[in-house]
Amino acid sequence: RKEVEQDPGPFNVPEGATVAFNCTYSNSASQSFFWYRQDCRKEPKLLMSVYSSGNEDGRFTAQLNRASQYISLLIRDSKLSDSATYLCVVSRMTTDSWGKLQFGAGTQVVVTP
Amino acid sequence: NAGVTQTPKFRVLKTGQSMTLLCAQDMNHEYMYWYRQDPGMGLRLIHYSVGEGTTAKGEVPDGYNVSRLKKQNFLLGLESAAPSQTSVYFCASSYERGRTTYNEQFFGPGTRLTVL
Repeated sequence: RKEVEQDPGPFNVPEGATVAFNCTYSNSASQSFFWYRQDCRKEPKLLMSVYSSGNEDGRFTAQLNRASQYISLLIRDSKLSDSATYLCVVSRMTTDSWGKLQFGAGTQVVVTP
Repeated sequence: NAGVTQTPKFRVLKTGQSMTLLCAQDMNHEYMYWYRQDPGMGLRLIHYSVGEGTTAKGEVPDGYNVSRLKKQNFLLGLESAAPSQTSVYFCASSYERGRTTYNEQFFGPGTRLTVL
């Protein structure tokens, strides 16, 4: 079983609509959670961290559910520029004390005019 | 600042050939990482380094070697390339300030490697 699982999509979203998707993680020792964005054939870039109480960054809202071990990302008022693959990332401290990241395979979002 | 740079951007190798991928960062980061990304899979850690002169194995280290002779550079070597090593390779760096604080990883643009 993969440590971080995501629906690969694609999620086809009309411009201006809302899209939401989840990611599940299997290791209950995971401590930190993030969404990275990866454009086609580009490098991943941090989109936002995910805090226990949930957090917003503009049109993006992230939620964490530790009991059910999933995180979610919601994008409101979708823009064409939001088309990308969104990587779910979890982090936990290793025995040699550094924050190892575990990446999901990504959820593809395609925003259409 | 250039951030994290990688050379080369593309490479085609024949089975059994060797090559070295170079990663450089100008952010004075302590930690550096090599990942590979394959279709349908998340990025997987090959090797990492917590400082100049130190390296450690990640989750998929077989067939690769690394060196960190200078703080700003992290080299990934393939001694005898195999078709299974066809992938996109990303280097990343971060400044691990402490044991409980997460530091964002900054990625290079990637190297697309094909092994025939």
